[in-house]
Amino acid sequence: DAGITQSPRHKVTETGTPVTLRCHQTENHRYMYWYRQDPGHGLRLIHYSYGVKDTDKGEVSDGYSVSRSKTEDFLLTLESATSSQTSVYFCAISAAATSGNTIYFGEGSWLTVV
Amino acid sequence: RKEVEQDPGPFNVPEGATVAFNCTYSNSASQSFFWYRQDCRKEPKLLMSVYSSGNEDGRFTAQLNRASQYISLLIRDSKLSDSATYLCAVNRGQNFVFGPGTRLSVLP
Repeated sequence: DAGITQSPRHKVTETGTPVTLRCHQTENHRYMYWYRQDPGHGLRLIHYSYGVKDTDKGEVSDGYSVSRSKTEDFLLTLESATSSQTSVYFCAISAAATSGNTIYFGEGSWLTVV
Repeated sequence: RKEVEQDPGPFNVPEGATVAFNCTYSNSASQSFFWYRQDCRKEPKLLMSVYSSGNEDGRFTAQLNRASQYISLLIRDSKLSDSATYLCAVNRGQNFVFGPGTRLSVLP
């Protein structure tokens, strides 16, 4: 258990509305990530954070913004949701392991944009 | 070409069979390598790291070939409970890239 909590776990929203997904971790990890997972594409990195107020874009960042005002919270915002953003979103943290850094995931947030 | 590629399957095998998955990666600067298991509608969970010398964990054996840039996962004596999607992952520092996954169904 990597101590990651995502909320909400499931959400249905309308096109054009803003949506914020929250990722909360309890173990003071520096690096946090947001991925989306879609059939045929696998896991794709949206944004990541390497510290409070330090974030950077990933492979599929268009239409998404993030914020990290506290070590434990990493927020993903869809400013104006579109149907193409219907997906499952996974938050992750990077933690040291025997072989180096390893990534651990939260349980996911299922988002449907109608 | 994607940075990490896998045969999507599905692999349908009978219980007790041995099954092997391969994964290729294109960035020679990749440092660490992993196999994850993902059950339907669940998050990916770390199955095992892959070491240069190869490593084994019970019925699971992982190998790395840096020269050819591929990693493999061998599952011996397959169980029904092994049915899942297996994702390979590579990292460079804090950048983790995942393959699309290979689906395994173990049949009674």
